[in-house]
Amino acid sequence: AQTVTQSQPEMSVQEAETVTLSCTYDTSESDYYLFWYKQPPSRQMILVIRQEAYKQQNATENRFSVNFQKAAKSFSLKISDSQLGDAAMYFCAYRSHNNNDMRFGAGTRLTVKP
Amino acid sequence: DTAVSQTPKYLVTQMGNDKSIKCEQNLGHDTMYWYKQDSKKFLKIMFSYNNKELIINETVPNRFSPKSPDKAHLNLHINSLELGDSAVYFCASSYTGAKNIQYFGAGTRLSVL
Repeated sequence: AQTVTQSQPEMSVQEAETVTLSCTYDTSESDYYLFWYKQPPSRQMILVIRQEAYKQQNATENRFSVNFQKAAKSFSLKISDSQLGDAAMYFCAYRSHNNNDMRFGAGTRLTVKP
Repeated sequence: DTAVSQTPKYLVTQMGNDKSIKCEQNLGHDTMYWYKQDSKKFLKIMFSYNNKELIINETVPNRFSPKSPDKAHLNLHINSLELGDSAVYFCASSYTGAKNIQYFGAGTRLSVL
C-alpha cells in the first residue's frame, strides 16, 4: 500500500518569508496524483495545490508552488510571502490513478509569526 | 451556498448509543466519502460510495454503516458507540476519477463519554 510521510510535525515562518514543507511517498505505480490540503483552525479541509505525476512541470497557485521530484518520490510545498492566514495544518496526499482511495500524511502544523 | 455540508457540527453522546451524521453535496458529484481524523490529526478514509455502491471499506468496524439515499447524500450511522470512536468525521465528494479534487465538509466532532 502507498504511504505518505511528512517528517516535519511543526514548522514556523516569519510573515513575508518563504517556507518549504516536506512530503515523501512510497509507491510502485507510475501514474498517480499528489495534493496538498490546508486545514485552518476552522477545521475545513481546503485544497491548496494538485500535481499530476505524468507532468514534469511543477504546479503553482499564486504564492504556493511545489517541487515534484518523481524519481525521489518527493513532493514539497513552498509558500512564498507567508501571510498570517497561512497558519494551519498542511496535509500531503497521494491518490492512485486507478482508484478513488486517497492516502494522507500525518500533517505539518505551520505557524506564521508576525 | 455550501458545497458539502455535514450536520451536526458537534455531537456529544454516551457510550453504547446509536447516532447518525448527515452529509449532503450540491456539486453534482457522483462519489462521496467519509474520513475519520483522530486526536493526532491523522486522516484516514473509511468509505466511499459511487452510484450507490460501496467501493472502499478500510477495516472499519461493522458498527459503522454508510447509507446513501441518493447521489447527493451519504449519511454515516454508528451503532453501539465506543470511547475510541471519538474523533472528527469528514464527508467529502468528487467526480469519479483519481485526478478529480475531493471537496470536504467542515467536519463533525464526535465526543463519546
